[in-house]
Amino acid sequence: AQSVAQPEDQVNVAEGNPLTVKCTYSVSGNPYLFWYVQYPNRGLQFLLKYITGDNLVKGSYGFEAEFNKSQTSFHLKKPSALVSDSALYFCAVMGGSTLGRLYFGRGTQLTVWP
Amino acid sequence: GAVVSQHPSWVICKSGTSVKIECRSLDFQATTMFWYRQFPKQSLMLMATSNEGSKATYEQGVEKDKFLINHASLTLSTLTVTSAHPEDSSFYICSASWGAADGYTFGSGTRLTVV
Repeated sequence: AQSVAQPEDQVNVAEGNPLTVKCTYSVSGNPYLFWYVQYPNRGLQFLLKYITGDNLVKGSYGFEAEFNKSQTSFHLKKPSALVSDSALYFCAVMGGSTLGRLYFGRGTQLTVWP
Repeated sequence: GAVVSQHPSWVICKSGTSVKIECRSLDFQATTMFWYRQFPKQSLMLMATSNEGSKATYEQGVEKDKFLINHASLTLSTLTVTSAHPEDSSFYICSASWGAADGYTFGSGTRLTVV
C-alpha cells in the first residue's frame, strides 16, 4: 500500500534561514512524489515533483527537494525562507493502479517569522 | 495549459438541501477525475474516482448515495452533496487526469458550509 508520512505538524523558521519540511514514503514500485502548498481556503498549488532522473528536483518559488531512495525520503527545502512561504505543505505519492490517484501526507504547517 | 475550473468557490446551504459542485477541465480531456475532502487542518482524503461514462468508485466509508458523482463528459464531473448536514461542511477539491503518470491538475476547491 502507498503511504506518506510527514513527521512534523509544524515547522517554525526565521526569515532568511534555510527551511526543511520532511517527508518519507512507502510505495510499491517506482515512486512518483510531489509537493504541494496550500494557503487558507485555497486549492493546492504544485511546487515540484520527482518522477525519474536527478535526485535533486528544483521547483517553484525557490523550493527544491531531494529524492533519497535508500531512506525513502523526499524532503522539501529552501535555502532562504520568506515570510510569504508560511502555509500548509503537503507531500504526496502517486501509486496504485489508477494514474493520478494521490496519497497525501497529513500536512506540515510552515511558519516563517520576520 | 491544463487548467481545471471548480465552481463554486464557496457555498452556504441550509441543512437538508442539496449542493452541486462542478469540476471542469478547460483545455484537456479528463479521462479520470478525483474528488477529495479536506477537514480543517487535516489532510486530503480521496472520496471517489470517476471515469467518463461509468460509475464512480468510492473509497471505503464514503456514502455513495449521499455524495453523488457524475462524469458525463470528458471535461465535466459533478459532485452533489445530497441532504446536506452540518457535518458535511468541509473543503472539497477535485483533480482531473489526462492519463499520464504525472498528468493531472487540481481545482481551486469549494468551501461548503451547511447551516
